[in-house]
Amino acid sequence: EAQVTQNPRYLITVTGKKLTVTCSQNMNHEYMSWYRQDPGLGLRQIYYSMNVEVTDKGDVPEGYKVSRKEKRNFPLILESPSPNQTSLYFCASSLFGRGTDTQYFGPGTRLTVL
Amino acid sequence: RKEVEQDPGPFNVPEGATVAFNCTYSNSASQSFFWYRQDCRKEPKLLMSVYSSGNEDGRFTAQLNRASQYISLLIRDSKLSDSATYLCVVVNTGTASKLTFGTGTRLQVTL
Repeated sequence: EAQVTQNPRYLITVTGKKLTVTCSQNMNHEYMSWYRQDPGLGLRQIYYSMNVEVTDKGDVPEGYKVSRKEKRNFPLILESPSPNQTSLYFCASSLFGRGTDTQYFGPGTRLTVL
Repeated sequence: RKEVEQDPGPFNVPEGATVAFNCTYSNSASQSFFWYRQDCRKEPKLLMSVYSSGNEDGRFTAQLNRASQYISLLIRDSKLSDSATYLCVVVNTGTASKLTFGTGTRLQVTL
């Protein structure tokens, strides 16, 4: 089954404790991205990747890091989480990142930073 | 002004009703448009693309008005299962296509 998976699905952590949210897709997509969704603000892009070893900032990259060492994986790293990073996070992938490509979203990771 | 604006709703309609949502966008150079559906706390899923000539898929019709910079979604014969949040997505194509999401319009279909 074609899918995007994320882990963990739920995470409660404390300020300053480094964490990684994994994202994996099995569709051989070149383009992957991370979004956060907050009430009243919609989905905002954090980082995206056009291909292996190619990453770029989205609209809200501060406080986040990403890496793309393999085509299928695109982990999101919070080196020192803060309460304002409490949010619902979605990973997404598409074939080439073109405007006409369908975006496939992972199930989401609900992160709470205390 | 937000890049993409939607009425948050909720739109409360009875089963069988016809309901329409609009979404306005600010960048006249935007090139692709979509409607996504998002169920509560779940991932967004593509509902349909929006073309200048209009696009119909069963009970759903999407329209694009470039002159007035808005897109619309019409749902006919609403079902309980249509209850969800509908996200308008506007794409500006550059080196990498940039998707901008609206905050969504919530639809609640009731008996």
